Amino acid sequence: EPEVTQTPSHQVTQMGQEVILRCVPISNHLYFYWYRQILGQKVEFLVSFYNNEISEKSEIFDDQFSVERPDGSNFTLKIRSTKLEDSAMYFCASSDSITYEQYFGPGTRLTVT
Amino acid sequence: RKEVEQDPGPFNVPEGATVAFNCTYSNSASQSFFWYRQDCRKEPKLLMSVYSSGNEDGRFTAQLNRASQYISLLIRDSKLSDSATYLCVVMPTGGFKTIFGAGTRLFVKA
Repeated sequence: EPEVTQTPSHQVTQMGQEVILRCVPISNHLYFYWYRQILGQKVEFLVSFYNNEISEKSEIFDDQFSVERPDGSNFTLKIRSTKLEDSAMYFCASSDSITYEQYFGPGTRLTVT
Repeated sequence: RKEVEQDPGPFNVPEGATVAFNCTYSNSASQSFFWYRQDCRKEPKLLMSVYSSGNEDGRFTAQLNRASQYISLLIRDSKLSDSATYLCVVMPTGGFKTIFGAGTRLFVKA
């Protein structure tokens, strides 16, 4: 069964550093998403991506964040100058253009110290 | 009013019980609706989409009431493995900003 994969599973970084979180969406999906879940809180939408551009972003997704599809398989989330409050689980998801059912990767736990 | 609202629970039920979760959403322009389950510190996993006509998948039944902006999930014959947090998810018409509810926690006990 096709699945979304994410690397790394856990990333520890120091405040002010840049991190890149990687995702490989399901191969025939066209829509890609990033979400954040702070421990004990709900899943929050960050950004959606279609046809090599951002289709929608939330107020959380400010200039500190960027997304890219550098090749035909990877989808990345870059967080510049990380802050303590960026510590969270980051989930990537992908969906098709018919059902829009989103399938999630296992997440990257980001810890900013 | 929250965009997507769920009873946080927890619901504590014995094995074999029937349990129902409710969810309300505030944006009448919402188009797509889903139920996900999330186990502790894991990713959300799609349970089912929710259609206006209602849909059933084994022990799970989902209903949508657009007039009342209300979604429900019914779990029959609960199993220990159903213990999880159930997330109500809403997507707007013509958009992708997917809104998750905070979830309803279910504990199924032997």
